[in-house]
Amino acid sequence: DAGVIQSPRHEVTEMGQEVTLRCKPISGHDYLFWYRQTMMRGLELLIYFNNNVPIDDSGMPEDRFSAKMPNASFSTLKIQPSEPRDSAVYFCASSLVSRAEAFFGQGTRLTVV
Amino acid sequence: SQQGEEDPQALSIQEGENATMNCSYKTSINNLQWYRQNSGRGLVHLILIRSNEREKHSGRLRVTLDTSKKSSSLLITASRAADTASYFCATGSGGGADGLTFGKGTHLIIQP
Repeated sequence: DAGVIQSPRHEVTEMGQEVTLRCKPISGHDYLFWYRQTMMRGLELLIYFNNNVPIDDSGMPEDRFSAKMPNASFSTLKIQPSEPRDSAVYFCASSLVSRAEAFFGQGTRLTVV
Repeated sequence: SQQGEEDPQALSIQEGENATMNCSYKTSINNLQWYRQNSGRGLVHLILIRSNEREKHSGRLRVTLDTSKKSSSLLITASRAADTASYFCATGSGGGADGLTFGKGTHLIIQP
């Protein structure tokens, strides 16, 4: 397996634009997590899915953020409209079972100008 | 919110020396994990220790867990330049939550 795949690796967008981040988890993993990493706040769990169902989205900062997992091999994190304070590295991770070893993608570095 | 807090925030040592990083956490845990992150890359899992274990080894890594003190340590022996990275502890909740909660990390620099 190629591991967790995220796209794009880098995204620069203007304030107010819609941004969509994509993730393909490892095949067979039941859990998918979206994290955000900043210098100030470290790694924050935004939302996670179990068997494609969103379980806990309490970490999503605002209604501007939404996430979907239409099938077991694909998830998106959307920010609409984007703001400069959304600039961060967004990671997707997957794991086989709950609280197990998490496999991270390479991340998407988002810059909102 | 941060569960694990690593200490120190930064550590610089000479190649060949041992590096020790500590992690403290606040609530009950199912397990505690350590991850490494190289600059500009994703996190890579190093080792997992369960709440009923006290010590675990993997190659040059040694992890200890003291649940009474809610703390863990990661020891890297005979450090190499390639060990330069940020190291994070992550806790798996003892409650119902499925995700991991990460600390802010220790940035380790190995001087050649």
